[in-house]
Amino acid sequence: DAGVTQSPTHLIKTRGQQVTLRCSPISGHKSVSWYQQVLGQGPQFIFQYYEKEERGRGNFPDRFSARQFPNYSSELNVNALLLGDSALYLCASSLYPTSGGNEQFFGPGTRLTVL
Amino acid sequence: DQQVKQNSPSLSVQEGRISILNCDYTNSMFDYFLWYKKYPAEGPTFLISISSIKDKNEDGRFTVFLNKSAKHLSLHIVPSQPGDSAVYFCAALPGRDSGGSNYKLTFGKGTLLTVNP
Repeated sequence: DAGVTQSPTHLIKTRGQQVTLRCSPISGHKSVSWYQQVLGQGPQFIFQYYEKEERGRGNFPDRFSARQFPNYSSELNVNALLLGDSALYLCASSLYPTSGGNEQFFGPGTRLTVL
Repeated sequence: DQQVKQNSPSLSVQEGRISILNCDYTNSMFDYFLWYKKYPAEGPTFLISISSIKDKNEDGRFTVFLNKSAKHLSLHIVPSQPGDSAVYFCAALPGRDSGGSNYKLTFGKGTLLTVNP
């Protein structure tokens, strides 16, 4: 069975540009979460989507947005890129959005570099 | 304000010996804790978890201990193997009474474990 897949693997953008990152969850998983991992830090929660609805949002500016499609895949969009947006963007899928025994499974991530 | 802290950026042990990775948390709302392992160029992989109603959970070579009063947990790997060399993240989830935020994993900064042959 395929795990969580993300595309692209790497991306280089310049300040002010916009970027779209994509994620396909594990088959049967209905919840997708996005995390940002800056070098030297742990992943930080950005969004969670379940059944196409936003279930939660972390402490990120409105330049960050996301959506989930009927097939449960998801896109993360970042507008007006800043140098500080350079990070590894991780997507995680789980059966349901709630806690406790419902582990999230991560994809390999998209490495975004903003110049 | 770091709610999950891994104060050791790195740890080096000999193959066959025990590796002990530590994690402290400050948020009393956390009631489920997970350890993830991360290799370079890969996403974090779930390793083992523990609910706050337990103080120990074991899975093969991996054991997690939780001391709720001290807000401290640790991951023991026995015996350590060179393939265990990776970054280990401690993560926490709040409980179901946390006002709807019980989906949000909060991670520590990670500890780089190196197991020497």
